[in-house]
Amino acid sequence: ETGVTQTPRHLVMGMTNKKSLKCEQHLGHNAMYWYKQSAKKPLELMFVYNFKEQTENNSVPSRFSPECPNSSHLFLHLHTLQPEDSALYLCASSQVTGYLQPQHFGDGTRLSIL
Amino acid sequence: AQTVTQSQPEMSVQEAETVTLSCTYDTSESDYYLFWYKQPPSRQMILVIRQEAYKQQNATENRFSVNFQKAAKSFSLKISDSQLGDAAMYFCAYRSAERSGYALNFGKGTSLLVTP
Repeated sequence: ETGVTQTPRHLVMGMTNKKSLKCEQHLGHNAMYWYKQSAKKPLELMFVYNFKEQTENNSVPSRFSPECPNSSHLFLHLHTLQPEDSALYLCASSQVTGYLQPQHFGDGTRLSIL
Repeated sequence: AQTVTQSQPEMSVQEAETVTLSCTYDTSESDYYLFWYKQPPSRQMILVIRQEAYKQQNATENRFSVNFQKAAKSFSLKISDSQLGDAAMYFCAYRSAERSGYALNFGKGTSLLVTP
């Protein structure tokens, strides 16, 4: 059982739909991250939350809206997406007690925009 | 922003042999941390090994070791006695210790194929 759970595993949506990705961590961590993984490109950091507060927004378009209600849950709300937004979206968590702390990743949500 | 370069999109190794994956990075910082992550076809990214920049000794985790050359800004991963289960995408990642946040900068990855 993974310590970081992402749902759904796959999502197909039209450009006008609204959907949400969910991430839950069971590791007692206090930092959570959203990454976008596209083919042939490095993982792109999207958002960082430390203790429920957003600390980084890596110039992500407003059609992606994160929400972190507590240190264990992270959402990514999607609306009016574009075909280039099709990718694997990875959630990760870590402790913020030291820079050597590794990030623990979920299995990702494979998003396809029609 | 720091960039991480993995110049080998694909590598192949025979079972039981040794393979080295290369990683270079660009930074003006002196304090940072480096990581290698593995992503099998199951998609979950798993930490393989990590290195603190201020430590000259190369990190080792069982069959995995790194060759950290700070002056050259190089951080290669050596996998000894390769096993079929080592087949995966391998990502090199950089974390600054001089700016706030704990985000990682990743390279594009190297796909490792292990042949029997």
